[in-house]
Amino acid sequence: DAGVTQSPTHLIKTRGQQVTLRCSPKSGHDTVSWYQQALGQGPQFIFQYYEEEERQRGNFPDRFSGHQFPNYSSELNVNALLLGDSALYLCASSLFRREYNEQFFGPGTRLTVL
Amino acid sequence: DAKTTQPPSMDCAEGRAANLPCNHSTISGNEYVYWYRQIHSQGPQYIIHGLKNNETNEMASLIITEDRKSSTLILPHATLRDTAVYYCIVRSPQISSGSARQLTFGSGTQLTVLP
Repeated sequence: DAGVTQSPTHLIKTRGQQVTLRCSPKSGHDTVSWYQQALGQGPQFIFQYYEEEERQRGNFPDRFSGHQFPNYSSELNVNALLLGDSALYLCASSLFRREYNEQFFGPGTRLTVL
Repeated sequence: DAKTTQPPSMDCAEGRAANLPCNHSTISGNEYVYWYRQIHSQGPQYIIHGLKNNETNEMASLIITEDRKSSTLILPHATLRDTAVYYCIVRSPQISSGSARQLTFGSGTQLTVLP
């Protein structure tokens, strides 16, 4: 049973560019959440997708957008990259209807903005 | 969600029990206590969760005080591979209106298991 997978593993971009990160949830899961983790800090919630809709959003600007596909996989898009967007981007999947909704995380994508 | 307080770092000898404390004095009646850990450069890993009863699984035990204002995660026989940042998170269950609750991570406790 494959867990949560993310691609690419590492990415280097320059300021002003756009980036797309991808996530495939754990088999059987229908909800995908995205988190940003800056160096030395805990992960910060960006947004969550269920039934191809954004259900919740954290305190992130509109430059951060996402999408969920019918097969439950998801993309995170970041436009007009800033140096401060350099971070580990984590995808977590879960089963929406479970009351306690434990989330399973992927290995992350390390984004470096130069 | 209630705020949690954890010590920034702890050491534990290999083979001994690691007891990681967490204070959550403002916890509400329907909020669960979750524990995750993050080994360096990996994604967080779910460990265990509980509401008011003590819980045990293959990874750890969770002891929640009777007033639910604090909890302790116990790794019964710590190994070097248990070295990680441990996060205690308090979180409401599913919102019935159609939005699952996200996880709000603090700074966690860096546990170092020493040989």
